Amino acid sequence: SQQGEEDPQALSIQEGENATMNCSYKTSINNLQWYRQNSGRGLVHLILIRSNEREKHSGRLRVTLDTSKKSSSLLITASRAADTASYFCATLSINTDKLIFGTGTRLQVFP
Amino acid sequence: GAGVSQTPSNKVTEKGKYVELRCDPISGHTALYWYRQSLGQGPEFLIYFQGTGAADDSGLPNDRFFAVRPEGSVSTLKIQRTERGDSAVYLCASSSPPSDIQYFGAGTRLSVL
Repeated sequence: SQQGEEDPQALSIQEGENATMNCSYKTSINNLQWYRQNSGRGLVHLILIRSNEREKHSGRLRVTLDTSKKSSSLLITASRAADTASYFCATLSINTDKLIFGTGTRLQVFP
Repeated sequence: GAGVSQTPSNKVTEKGKYVELRCDPISGHTALYWYRQSLGQGPEFLIYFQGTGAADDSGLPNDRFFAVRPEGSVSTLKIQRTERGDSAVYLCASSSPPSDIQYFGAGTRLSVL
């Protein structure tokens, strides 16, 4: 069963604006990862944050993790039309090797 | 190859038929995963291989689904007596432990008519 819940389900913004997506999960985790998917096919890994980390940056991406609330957020700054895609959080629980994905956020960036 | 390769990219079959989906992982990656993604949903875990053995097959929905990885590289997901509910995109990923990052193929879109 899918563990993560993401909100919003869909987000539409203009180029240059920031996009924030949120993810909640249920169990204790080893790490949390964010993936991007274009056109319903292959996923691309964006960023990984470990359970002992609170914030991580990669280029225009900023991820936060709050293990007490079992939640994470992904911020994309200065968005571009090419950022249009679906974004999924995925958790890796302790003592397991399988990723549990959330339901995803569909981001549309208008030029 | 440079990435994870999945074949075929699309498969249309009739209800009750048998299908095989192939995954060729990144060279040297010992871990291989199969996921299933229905329209509008996130990928759902099916099975995980470490080397040749299935380390976790808890996500396989029933005994019509089976996967093998006989030489620790290419894997085949086999579905017997397909049902319309099996229609989905089947994704394969590989990783190189201890890294937890998974690299995904483009998937096989299975349509059961």
